[in-house]
Amino acid sequence: GENVEQHPSTLSVQEGDSAVIKCTYSDSASNYFPWYKQELGKRPQLIIDIRSNVGEKKDQRIAVTLNKTAKHFSLHITETQPEDSAVYFCAAITGNQFYFGTGTSLTVIP
Amino acid sequence: EAQVTQNPRYLITVTGKKLTVTCSQNMNHEYMSWYRQDPGLGLRQIYYSMNVEVTDKGDVPEGYKVSRKEKRNFPLILESPSPNQTSLYFCASSLRGGQGFNYGYTFGSGTRLTVV
Repeated sequence: GENVEQHPSTLSVQEGDSAVIKCTYSDSASNYFPWYKQELGKRPQLIIDIRSNVGEKKDQRIAVTLNKTAKHFSLHITETQPEDSAVYFCAAITGNQFYFGTGTSLTVIP
Repeated sequence: EAQVTQNPRYLITVTGKKLTVTCSQNMNHEYMSWYRQDPGLGLRQIYYSMNVEVTDKGDVPEGYKVSRKEKRNFPLILESPSPNQTSLYFCASSLRGGQGFNYGYTFGSGTRLTVV
């Protein structure tokens, strides 16, 4: 099956700086790549996603890039704010299954 | 309000005592799934269901059972729970699998299970 690796596992940034989280996947058949944000004690919430026929997508301070050849995709958060502190998960979808990365705990220091 | 409802939110039980965690969605979704979340391991899929009476194993199905007798409900059954099943469990649903994920994947609020 698909194997999704996510790095780093923890990330601390100063408020206002950018944060980048990277994921790699193994199955070239994966065609949809969502990112989820999970605040402490809460459910994962979709923040942005990208399909395999698109190289980049942006939504305000959040952007995702996809390199199909290298099988990796990244989440970029600019002008970070304390409320961005959370655990972020990437995922790759192959057929009918979701495969999640192991998560990145992001801390934004005021 | 469109939602996925899990019950209970918290459960402490003893080894070997059968339990069921319920999951219900009101969005007429065909696809439903169960995950367990453990520190450092992310979300791992236990079982999923493409529609009524259609279920498939995910990555970590051992020790769990599911059923899909109605479209809206997808209970998770632990017939003989063990301490290594202590975890945070999430149910999720989508309009359908495959391309249907593009329309969203909604998670329940989670069930924190402790087996002693």
